[in-house]
Amino acid sequence: EAQVTQNPRYLITVTGKKLTVTCSQNMNHEYMSWYRQDPGLGLRQIYYSMNVEVTDKGDVPEGYKVSRKEKRNFPLILESPSPNQTSLYFCASSLSAGVNQPQHFGDGTRLSIL
Amino acid sequence: KQEVTQIPAALSVPEGENLVLNCSFTDSAIYNLQWFRQDPGKGLTSLLLIQSSQREQTSGRLNASLDKSSGRSTLYIAASQPGDSATYLCAVRWSGGGADGLTFGKGTHLIIQP
Repeated sequence: EAQVTQNPRYLITVTGKKLTVTCSQNMNHEYMSWYRQDPGLGLRQIYYSMNVEVTDKGDVPEGYKVSRKEKRNFPLILESPSPNQTSLYFCASSLSAGVNQPQHFGDGTRLSIL
Repeated sequence: KQEVTQIPAALSVPEGENLVLNCSFTDSAIYNLQWFRQDPGKGLTSLLLIQSSQREQTSGRLNASLDKSSGRSTLYIAASQPGDSATYLCAVRWSGGGADGLTFGKGTHLIIQP
């Protein structure tokens, strides 16, 4: 089944403890991105990657890192998480950076930073 | 600032009715507009993508229109069913520069009463 898989789905952790949210897609997609969703603010893009080894900042990149060492994986790294990063996170992918490719989303990761 | 707005924020209608969801955007320089549905605890499911050169797209009971010059899109749902209950999001991919990716509206929470 074609899908975008995120892990973990839920995580409660404490301020300052480094964490990584993994994202993997099995569709051989070139383009991948991360969003966060907050009440009243909607979905906002954090980072995106047009291809392996190519990443760029979205609208809200502060406090996050990403890497794209291989096509299928695009992990989101919080080096020193803070409570304002408590949110619902989504990974997405599309076939290419071609502008009219629909994006496919994972089921989300709910992070709580205490 | 490039923004996407959805009205109404919530809508409740009896089963069987036809309904229209609205989306407006502030900049006509777009590549495309995409409609998604989001179910509780799940990710986003892509419904329709309209390219900037297109006026509408149809999939089953769904029809999405795009009027780029006025900055508006509508999602028409025919013969609504309880299974259509979800949050509907529209998202725009801008072509005028800046970070790549989607800018989302805050969504319309739709309830179809049996």
